[in-house]
Amino acid sequence: AQSVTQLDSQVPVFEEAPVELRCNYSSSVSVYLFWYVQYPNQGLQLLLKYLSGSTLVESINGFEAEFNKSQTSFHLRKPSVHISDTAEYFCAVRSSSGGYNKLIFGAGTRLAVHP
Amino acid sequence: NAGVMQNPRHLVRRRGQEARLRCSPMKGHSHVYWYRQLPEEGLKFMVYLQKENIIDESGMPKERFSAEFPKEGPSILRIQQVVRGDSAAYFCASSPDQGLRRYEQYFGPGTRLTVT
Repeated sequence: AQSVTQLDSQVPVFEEAPVELRCNYSSSVSVYLFWYVQYPNQGLQLLLKYLSGSTLVESINGFEAEFNKSQTSFHLRKPSVHISDTAEYFCAVRSSSGGYNKLIFGAGTRLAVHP
Repeated sequence: NAGVMQNPRHLVRRRGQEARLRCSPMKGHSHVYWYRQLPEEGLKFMVYLQKENIIDESGMPKERFSAEFPKEGPSILRIQQVVRGDSAAYFCASSPDQGLRRYEQYFGPGTRLTVT
């Protein structure tokens, strides 16, 4: 069985400050890892993913996440946030075996960026 | 290329009525997943379907809930005799058939069900 823990339910931060959203997972098998972002009353958008290769992955809007197998973590970071980054962020895992598998989500972290 | 379509976006039902939620996957995607999001919670997997087949329904409640993905037309999530606890946002996702992107799921805007 797999599970995901997002350690912070809410993260308030000032504009242009750095931010880290924490994600830890547990799994008995190899996993793929994802971060999704949800803006109010919208669906989820894929922000970035780790499938294999470099453990540091980046998105087009300045976010990055690092897969740490020994600590079973996949924390999301941004060096300087904007007001428009205010949203809910979900970490998710799925088994890497088989072509198609369900996603297991964390409870989400609400990022609130203040001017 | 249109994304995942869901309708209706909002649905209000009285207790005991039936709710029918529709999902059209992205063009070329034949794998559909349904998830439920309760208030202040993350998404919970319900069911995974391919055309005309249910592959994994381990997250579906045993009673009142059913899903289908016919050869033609959208995937349907049906909730019979709704209760207040069914009030939630229901999200559909689809994934492509081939390539590395088959590991990614693309989400629709969701259907927000309110049971009164």
